[in-house]
Amino acid sequence: KQEVTQIPAALSVPEGENLVLNCSFTDSAIYNLQWFRQDPGKGLTSLLLIQSSQREQTSGRLNASLDKSSGRSTLYIAASQPGDSATYLCAESTSGTYKYIFGTGTRLKVLA
Amino acid sequence: NAGVMQNPRHLVRRRGQEARLRCSPMKGHSHVYWYRQLPEEGLKFMVYLQKENIIDESGMPKERFSAEFPKEGPSILRIQQVVRGDSAAYFCASSPEGVTGYTFGSGTRLTVV
Repeated sequence: KQEVTQIPAALSVPEGENLVLNCSFTDSAIYNLQWFRQDPGKGLTSLLLIQSSQREQTSGRLNASLDKSSGRSTLYIAASQPGDSATYLCAESTSGTYKYIFGTGTRLKVLA
Repeated sequence: NAGVMQNPRHLVRRRGQEARLRCSPMKGHSHVYWYRQLPEEGLKFMVYLQKENIIDESGMPKERFSAEFPKEGPSILRIQQVVRGDSAAYFCASSPEGVTGYTFGSGTRLTVV
């Protein structure tokens, strides 16, 4: 059974800290992995997508890595800001370009 | 480009009524996906549609749920005879042909009372 696990479930940090969110997946036949941000009561915003042939992707203060051999991905957020407070979801696709398996997310709170 | 549009944003139905959730994909996107997020759970895939075709409905409950994506107009997720357990956020996403990755809508939050 395909599973995606995210640790920690919740995280509270002071503003300015660098932080790492973890995602592990059980199916090594990964096609791509996507990180999303979800704000309360709102939809999902795609942050970064890593193809199986890639090791990492960067966008601004965000960096996501992918290690297929260990079944792990990390999302690194540099110099965190209160506006980064949200739930971060990772999702794995193993069946072509559709049907993602989502983790339950990490709820991040950045304190001013 | 207005993005993926879902309506209504919030929907309240009494047990036994029907719920209709609408999704208009981004302009130029021909693939639509529906996901459900139950309270305190992750998003779960329900169905994948292309115009006038259901490609994969492996995540749809066997009864009361149906989806369509007609040649003209939005995709519709229909839930008949709703029960309290159907209360959830329903998200629609779309993508163009042959492109990896989705764009999600803001979701419809269904509450069954």
